[in-house]
Amino acid sequence: QQPVQSPQAVILREGEDAVINCSSSKALYSVHWYRQKHGEAPVFLMILLKGGEQKGHEKISASFNEKKQQSSLYLTASQLSYSGTYFCGAPLSGNTGKLIFGQGTTLQVKP
Amino acid sequence: KAGVTQTPRYLIKTRGQQVTLSCSPISGHRSVSWYQQTPGQGLQFLFEYFSETQRNKGNFPGRFSGRQFSNSRSEMNVSTLELGDSALYLCASSWGRGIYNEQFFGPGTRLTVL
Repeated sequence: QQPVQSPQAVILREGEDAVINCSSSKALYSVHWYRQKHGEAPVFLMILLKGGEQKGHEKISASFNEKKQQSSLYLTASQLSYSGTYFCGAPLSGNTGKLIFGQGTTLQVKP
Repeated sequence: KAGVTQTPRYLIKTRGQQVTLSCSPISGHRSVSWYQQTPGQGLQFLFEYFSETQRNKGNFPGRFSGRQFSNSRSEMNVSTLELGDSALYLCASSWGRGIYNEQFFGPGTRLTVL
């Protein structure tokens, strides 16, 4: 039931690109992406909705393939500040604030 | 706009005790959800409250309970603490329920059970 994220961890150099995937065995109504730095709370990145709409406030893009029940987060030209653990979360139904989170992907950006 | 606040930030208790954690959502937000975060289990959903009513509950024992007040502030209570309850407890607020509402997390309460 829990979304599965891949890869589990990735190490990059500044300026490199990365893709984090989130897949579900159940239908996805939307996908929520968060980033958590060590010792801090998760910070909202964006929501991907059916039909292609996305809401977010970071210079990070993402896609949502409803048929494949997958979402991907694209980190381009990585900066040191991108380091952290990325979580995808998905609601179990259309009208709920209950998010089921993936296990997280740890991203480390090195100078 | 002030963010989500949680008190206390750190708590040390012994087995068998009980604890109450508090969460104040962002002004205007009516929905509060609670999550438990541990290294082994990741982020696990505990409860969702909206308009003072529990709307969803995660797969946790009855020792975990919560409530929401008319001003949307929320508390969660854990009774008869066990060592395995040691975790970071996060609350998140959103304007409404549903798949379109982003949740904003508070800094969390780090609970250590000895």
